[in-house]
Amino acid sequence: DAGVTQSPTHLIKTRGQQVTLRCSPKSGHDTVSWYQQALGQGPQFIFQYYEEEERQRGNFPDRFSGHQFPNYSSELNVNALLLGDSALYLCASSSPWPTDTQYFGPGTRLTVL
Amino acid sequence: KNQVEQSPQSLIILEGKNCTLQCNYTVSPFSNLRWYKQDTGRGPVSLTIMTFSENTKSNGRYTATLDADTKQSSLHITASQLSDSASYICVVSTGTASKLTFGTGTRLQVTL
Repeated sequence: DAGVTQSPTHLIKTRGQQVTLRCSPKSGHDTVSWYQQALGQGPQFIFQYYEEEERQRGNFPDRFSGHQFPNYSSELNVNALLLGDSALYLCASSSPWPTDTQYFGPGTRLTVL
Repeated sequence: KNQVEQSPQSLIILEGKNCTLQCNYTVSPFSNLRWYKQDTGRGPVSLTIMTFSENTKSNGRYTATLDADTKQSSLHITASQLSDSASYICVVSTGTASKLTFGTGTRLQVTL
């Protein structure tokens, strides 16, 4: 079992650009959550996808959007990048029950210049 | 407002020594509390999970305690090793994946 995988590992973008991050959940998991973790801070919940729909959303602007595919993998898209978007982006997958048993991926380090 | 506070913010200990990290929370309703270990630049890895009825849980050299009455938890690390150097994050859940409240973590450094 590969666990939760994310790609790419690192990414450098400039302000105003758009970025897409990818996540494959742990086998048997159908729910994917995305988190943003600034340096020295705890993860902040962005949104959660279940059955290809956004089920819950945190306090993030519409520049942050996502998608879940039929195979449960997911993408996080960020438009019009700002310097403050620089962070570690974590994907976590959950089993059908209990839904808060989350397994985290290794993260994607995004740097916005 | 749901909050999780951890102390200390950072800690330096000698290899082989024990240490205890603290977590206080004001999360309602309470479902469970987890401790995660996060290496720099990596995703968090779960160490322990405790529900309301559990007051202690061990995972090797890691022992977590929970006092649901005072809403406090601790993580005790025994005989620390250099590989224990990481951030330790306390996470409290209300029962759904979207309702996790994360602490800001305690940064532990184990030295020779």
